[in-house]
Order: sequence, then structure tokens, then C-alpha cells
Amino acid sequence: DTGVSQDPRHKITKRGQNVTFRCDPISEHNRLYWYRQTLGQGPEFLTYFQNEAQLEKSRLLSDRFSAERPKGSFSTLEIQRTEQGDSAMYLCAAGKGGSYNEQFFGPGTRLTVL
Amino acid sequence: GDSVTQMEGPVTLSEEAFLTINCTYTATGYPSLFWYVQYPGEGLQLLLKATKADDKGSNKGFEATYRKETTSFHLEKGSVQVSDSAVYFCALMEYGGSQGNLIFGKGTKLSVKP
Repeated sequence: DTGVSQDPRHKITKRGQNVTFRCDPISEHNRLYWYRQTLGQGPEFLTYFQNEAQLEKSRLLSDRFSAERPKGSFSTLEIQRTEQGDSAMYLCAAGKGGSYNEQFFGPGTRLTVL
Repeated sequence: GDSVTQMEGPVTLSEEAFLTINCTYTATGYPSLFWYVQYPGEGLQLLLKATKADDKGSNKGFEATYRKETTSFHLEKGSVQVSDSAVYFCALMEYGGSQGNLIFGKGTKLSVKP
């Protein structure tokens, strides 16, 4: 158990709908990352928080994507006006930083856009 | 930009066979290197790591040595078990990177037959 939980585990939605995912790390993890993993590929970085501050966003994160971490604890990732190309596994990872910044991954949310 | 290339799978081995999964990287700085494993139905787990040249990471019988001269971090295990069946991801994190996000290879699926 990595201590990182994600909800929901699966989400099926119709194109054009909005979806929101949640990630809950343990309290000591001040760093939080979102990644996206498509079939047959490794995870790709989307965005990064240190406490409540969003410090980095990948160019993969289009304007339809927004992420928050309001109190530096849980985080949400929202996708507006979903497209079929958004179908993927969305992974949350968290850690304490440090010399090699080990990241602990949650089980992921699998999104299917019909 | 930084990247990771790992051998394509799937790899199918018999129990007790020797395993090598090749991984090479491209990085402008001095990255830390990781192997993550994803068992069926589970999230990514850190398998082993190495933070500087000539370091050897090891865990659960798996080993990988950070080779700066060949920019490689090949994963090896002397005798695989059925329970090692999983997808293995090589990853790097740029040393000193402000955000510390991981850059992953595409993953190699390993199937071990009894």
C-alpha cells in the first residue's frame, strides 16, 4: 500500500461531458504529481504541486484540463468537454521530495470517453 | 529533451530463466534512474533506483547498474519466478530538476511460464 488513493477507479463518460478525479496522498507528501498513461505507453507527466502551489504544467495539459490542490492535501483533476483522445489511465503520485524524490503512485483512474 | 528507451516486449520466459530488460537514456544533466513495476491490476511500484554513475540498485533479486559511459540502466534477474510477471518501466529524473517529474520508457511486459 503506497498510501495514495484515487477515486473513482473507473469512469465512463460521453464525449463533451466534464469529469473530475480525486487523489488523496498521505499527509507527509508535500509533492503531488499527475501523469497520464495510454495503452502501450509509459506514464507522461501532466502537472506538479508543491503543497498547494501548482509549479509546473506540461504542454500535454490543454486548456480543457485543470488541477487543484486547495489545502495542500488532496488534489483534483478536471477535464472539461472530454474528447475520445482523453481516454487513458490518470495516475497520481506523491512524495516528500528530498535527494531523489521517491514518488508513490496511486492505483489510477481509468477514463473511457465514448 | 530527456528520454528513455527500453526494449520492446512482450518477453516470455520459463521459470528460473535469466532476465535482462535493456534500458538506455538521453539526458542533458545527471539523472537519477529508476525501475518501476506494475503488477496486473495494481499501481506502479518502485522496484529499484540508482542516483549516480556506477551505483547498483537492487531489490527482490533484481539488479541494475547505472552506466554513464553507455547511458544504460539494464534490469537483470538471475532466476525469474511466475510471480515476476508484470510490466516493467525504466524511468529517469533529472538531477536538480525543480519539479522532479519522472520520464518513463514505454514499458516491457514480462510473462513467466511455470
